[in-house]
Parts: sequence; structure tokens; C-alpha cells
Amino acid sequence: SYDLTQPPSVSVSPGQTARITCSGDALAKQYAYWYQQRPGQAPLLVIYNYRERPSGIPERFSGSSSGTTVTLTISGVQPEDEADYYCQSADSSGSVVFGGGTKLTVL
Amino acid sequence: QVQLVQSGAEVKKPGASVKVSCKASGYTFTSQYIHWVRQAPGQGLEWMGIINPSDGSTNYAQRFQGRVTMTRDTSTRTVYMEMSSLRSEDTAMYYCARDDDSGYYFCDHWGQGTLVTVSS
Repeated sequence: SYDLTQPPSVSVSPGQTARITCSGDALAKQYAYWYQQRPGQAPLLVIYNYRERPSGIPERFSGSSSGTTVTLTISGVQPEDEADYYCQSADSSGSVVFGGGTKLTVL
Repeated sequence: QVQLVQSGAEVKKPGASVKVSCKASGYTFTSQYIHWVRQAPGQGLEWMGIINPSDGSTNYAQRFQGRVTMTRDTSTRTVYMEMSSLRSEDTAMYYCARDDDSGYYFCDHWGQGTLVTVSS
């Protein structure tokens, strides 16, 4: 088992850029994924394989990786982006781990 | 379109078991694994395990081994998650989610969730 560490909260004003980090040793070798979870809703995949966006996800969502840290960047944050964001990775056996989640507040 | 429709909310007493279903549609059921993930009130996501609907093979998170059983019924395109010896700490929203078929283990579609409440 391994851990993924996220900051508990990030706050930005509308139109600014939000950056949410996720750190863990496994991220140097395994892909990372990001999910958005609005209150009362199921999670939604927003980034896969470090930086790919599923269809329907706005271009303002992007992902990057450097060593053992991955970053979700939301450019030009909109009020509807206020949500919890979770990073996720997996080992080669298919065991999955989630980060603790980051609450994004749009001021 | 891909849909995962879960069974309704459950209320159980401590020590009891619960079985949650997840009915898949809109894709080839046996071609993509299903994950189970739970979320306690106000808490983060916790991965429980994964099942291969093609052959029924499973991989459980260590903390759930021996208490969780995942099964599938290919005739009805349904996956099940059964948890035994329930305790209050198992009160949570339980989600099923389809695995992407790239071999990298992540969830590309989610069910709506099933709330399981454990209370005496």
C-alpha cells in the first residue's frame, strides 16, 4: 500500500488559476488520475494518464507531472468548479489508492 | 450511453450483512472491470476492490478482505458487493464505477451511489 497526499483546501477568486497538488512515491512510476466531486454527486473523471482530458471536460482543466508530484491546474476558474478534487493512482496488481481530497473554494 | 444503476438505500443493524447491486448498460459488460469505492459522511474516497465481470476474479483492498465479497451475474449484467459483520463505521455511500479498459485501473463512469446506514 502507499499514500497520496493532497492539501486539504485551496481557495481562488473567479477567473484565477487554481493548482492542486498530489504527492506520493508511486507517482514517479504510475499514472495519476483526477476526479471532481460536487456536493451530493458521484465523482467525475476530469484527468487521466497525468494529463489527458475525457471528452466533455473543459479545456481549462489540465494535468502535469514532475517526479513524485502531480498537479491539477484549473485555468480561469468558474464558480461551478467549486468542488472536492481527488487524485488517484494504482499499482500493477490493480490495487487503487485515492488521495485525501482537496476542497476547492471559489471566493 | 454507459450507465451504472445501483440499488436503493439500506438501513442495517450492527452485525448484519448488506448486498448492493450495480446494473450496467451501454457497453459490453464482460469487457471492463468494476470497482467499488465508498465514502463515509464528510470523508474522502476509499477503494474497496475490483471485479472482472468476465471470469468473476476479484482483488480486494487488504482492509476489506474476509468481510467483502464481490460477485457478478452476466445474464443480468449486474455486479454485487456484499459486506458482512457491519458496524457503525461502515455507514457510507457506496459507489460502483467502471474501469477504463486501458489496463491502468481508473474509473471512467460511476454509479449514482447507494447509502448504507448501520444503526441499532
